Order: sequence, then structure tokens, then C-alpha cells
Amino acid sequence: QKEVEQNSGPLSVPEGAIASLNCTYSDRGSQSFFWYRQYSGKSPELIMSIYSNGDKEDGRFTAQLNKASQYVSLLIRDSQPSDSATYLCAVNLRLSDMRFGAGTRLTVKP
Amino acid sequence: GAVVSQHPSWVICKSGTSVKIECRSLDFQATTMFWYRQFPKQSLMLMATSNEGSKATYEQGVEKDKFLINHASLTLSTLTVTSAHPEDSSFYICSALLHGTVSGYTFGSGTRLTVV
Repeated sequence: QKEVEQNSGPLSVPEGAIASLNCTYSDRGSQSFFWYRQYSGKSPELIMSIYSNGDKEDGRFTAQLNKASQYVSLLIRDSQPSDSATYLCAVNLRLSDMRFGAGTRLTVKP
Repeated sequence: GAVVSQHPSWVICKSGTSVKIECRSLDFQATTMFWYRQFPKQSLMLMATSNEGSKATYEQGVEKDKFLINHASLTLSTLTVTSAHPEDSSFYICSALLHGTVSGYTFGSGTRLTVV
């Protein structure tokens, strides 16, 4: 079982819709959870971090964490073409040990 | 905010030669830096963790004699790909751990290595 799993996609949504990205992880001791956005040929950029169960909202982005189900998700409201990218879920097993999922490629169509 | 500078951004080299990639933390001291490799349409794969002043810890399957990591100072880590082959062509990304914050991973801009 992979440490961090994501649906590779591609996920295609129309402009203005809600994009929902999902991630599961295997280590119940994981403490910190992150969503990175990566444009083609670029390095990842952090867009959300979440540490406790529940929802965390930042602008159009909402991260959801359910530690009991070992599940973390990212919702993007009012999706824009500029949101088209690969979204990487990352989990900190320990402070100095971050593992990434394979990423979900999102395409937002105008 | 914390910035990690990575150079070069791209490099083309001949098979059999060595290439050095630098990763610098510009406004903070990074006692721990990480080196990742990413093949097209695949995820980031951790290659090694480097700690200032000590030997790097390599992930399983990564050849330590081929991918030399040096972390001689608190602001600089280097990755040298020795005797490069076409299959080493990839996107290499470093990141640094900013102590004091749980989300303290800052990524460099990446290096696209093409071995011909």
C-alpha cells in the first residue's frame, strides 16, 4: 500500500464549478497534511496546510481532514482556468519526513 | 518569507559527465535539506535527506555513490550527479526545512537535467 494515494485523474471541471480532490494516507501517526499545486515544469507551491480534523478555508480553497478515515481532501470553489495544474497531497510522517502522493491533474475548461 | 534558491534551472550534459546542482537557503539556516527527483507525469520521489555537517541519508534504491550530496554549511547543499546517463534525465528539486514551523518545507525552483 502506498503511503499517500491520490486519484491521478485527469479531473476536468468547467469554469466556475467546484473541483474536489481526494487523498488517503496509510500512517495513522501522521501529524501534518498539505496540498501543493505544481504547474508543468515548475516546483510545487504550498496552497493549504491542515493539522486537525475538520475544515480549513482559505479563499476559494477548503481543506478537509478526517484522521479516523485517514482522508484529506481539497475543494476549489469557483474554479478558474488558472487553477489547471497537478495537485499534490503531502503528509508529514514526522517533521523531517514528508511523503507525496502521485498528484491529481486538474483541468478547468473555460 | 523563506526562500530557497536552486541553480541551475536547467542543464544539458553529455553522458558520462558529472553535474552539480546547488540549493541555497537565502534568509534562513537550513539544518536539513531534501532532494527529490520527479520523472514526467510522476510524483516527487525523495532521494535523500541531508543534514548539515553529516552524511546524507539515502532512500532505498538511490545510489549514494552516483548521487553525491554535500551539506557543508547551514545555507548550502549540493547534489552531484556523477557519470550521468540518459536515464538520469529528470527534474531535480530541493527543499529545506525551516525549523520552528510544522509547515516549514520550502522548495527550490527545480533543475531540469537532460543527459544526451
